[in-house]
Amino acid sequence: DGGITQSPKYLFRKEGQNVTLSCEQNLNHDAMYWYRQDPGQGLRLIYYSQIVNDFQKGDIAEGYSVSREKKESFPLTVTSAQKNPTAFYLCASSIGTAPSTDTQYFGPGTRLTVL
Amino acid sequence: DQQVKQNSPSLSVQEGRISILNCDYTNSMFDYFLWYKKYPAEGPTFLISISSIKDKNEDGRFTVFLNKSAKHLSLHIVPSQPGDSAVYFCAASAYYQGGSEKLVFGKGTKLTVNP
Repeated sequence: DGGITQSPKYLFRKEGQNVTLSCEQNLNHDAMYWYRQDPGQGLRLIYYSQIVNDFQKGDIAEGYSVSREKKESFPLTVTSAQKNPTAFYLCASSIGTAPSTDTQYFGPGTRLTVL
Repeated sequence: DQQVKQNSPSLSVQEGRISILNCDYTNSMFDYFLWYKKYPAEGPTFLISISSIKDKNEDGRFTVFLNKSAKHLSLHIVPSQPGDSAVYFCAASAYYQGGSEKLVFGKGTKLTVNP
């Protein structure tokens, strides 16, 4: 049963703490993405990775870090430098990075609340 | 600057009627457009897409129309069903640094189909 899993679904953290969000896919996709959604807003790209051991900053990368040591995993760390981390975080993957041919498939998301 | 705009935050229609969701864009370099559907607390799922060389694409009850001169696209759902109630995101494909493409999302329109 192929798909993308994100854990946990809900996450609470104290201000000033780093937190890592998990994203795993078994679709054998090369490309993976992290987006952030805020209420009444569209999805904004945080980081993306076209291939293992490579990743690039998206539009709002400040305060976040990622790694891509395995094809199937793309964890996102929300650091204490992120000024407003409370949001819904979505991970996605696709075969390649051309939206015209490579549909992005999304995970169920993680809602992070920083207290 | 918001390159993809969905100016109606919400839309309510009766079951069986047509739903029309609108999307405007500002970047004439966008060459591929997509619609995603999102239920609460879930990740978006791909619905339908259109290339800039076409003006219409149809898939069952869903049709997307593209008017390049007006930089406008619309999603028509006929007939609307209660299960179509969701947030619909319009997205456009743009080239990013390094030559890869990325999706630029609108803020979404919440569709409610009343029985």
